[in-house]
Amino acid sequence: DQQVKQNSPSLSVQEGRISILNCDYTNSMFDYFLWYKKYPAEGPTFLISISSIKDKNEDGRFTVFLNKSAKHLSLHIVPSQPGDSAVYFCAASDRGTGNQFYFGTGTSLTVIP
Amino acid sequence: DAGVIQSPRHEVTEMGQEVTLRCKPISGHNSLFWYRQTMMRGLELLIYFNNNVPIDDSGMPEDRFSAKMPNASFSTLKIQPSEPRDSAVYFCASSPGHLNTEAFFGQGTRLTVV
Repeated sequence: DQQVKQNSPSLSVQEGRISILNCDYTNSMFDYFLWYKKYPAEGPTFLISISSIKDKNEDGRFTVFLNKSAKHLSLHIVPSQPGDSAVYFCAASDRGTGNQFYFGTGTSLTVIP
Repeated sequence: DAGVIQSPRHEVTEMGQEVTLRCKPISGHNSLFWYRQTMMRGLELLIYFNNNVPIDDSGMPEDRFSAKMPNASFSTLKIQPSEPRDSAVYFCASSPGHLNTEAFFGQGTRLTVV
């Protein structure tokens, strides 16, 4: 059963606008969340993370928001750039039971120049 | 450090054959993960090792799949016998094992079973 869900398989955004990628999870014990970016024929690379004690974490153009009551997190990219075009995976971990990360199905972002 | 190294990058095999995928984690990392990427399930966790010991193998699809980590610098994922539905990209990842640290992925092995 998929514990981390990304319901939008794809998203297209104009260059310079905001990209918002969404992620939902079902396990209330998850307390650490990450976003990864993946280009074709490469492995996923870490982008940004957030602990459950926070509701926002910002790193340059990337901001992750966490809504624990809704079991929802989102990644905002602003302004979007063509080089941001990739597949974005959301991941979650229950640090109390181990170090394993559970991933969603990914959202393919296309930034149109 | 060269990062997580996986081999081979591509593997094409016939149904029924044994397939072995290899992974060298980043030196000093205590945790190692095998993932499978498919369109339907995204990145699916197959097995997780900590200090060379399998901790969680609940994601291994069936008995045809097995994974070993004989030492801190090497792991294998074996499929025997392989089936066409095993065709996917298989990723190995490693992590320092501390809380609040991410996993680092290899470039993956694209497996095609015909």
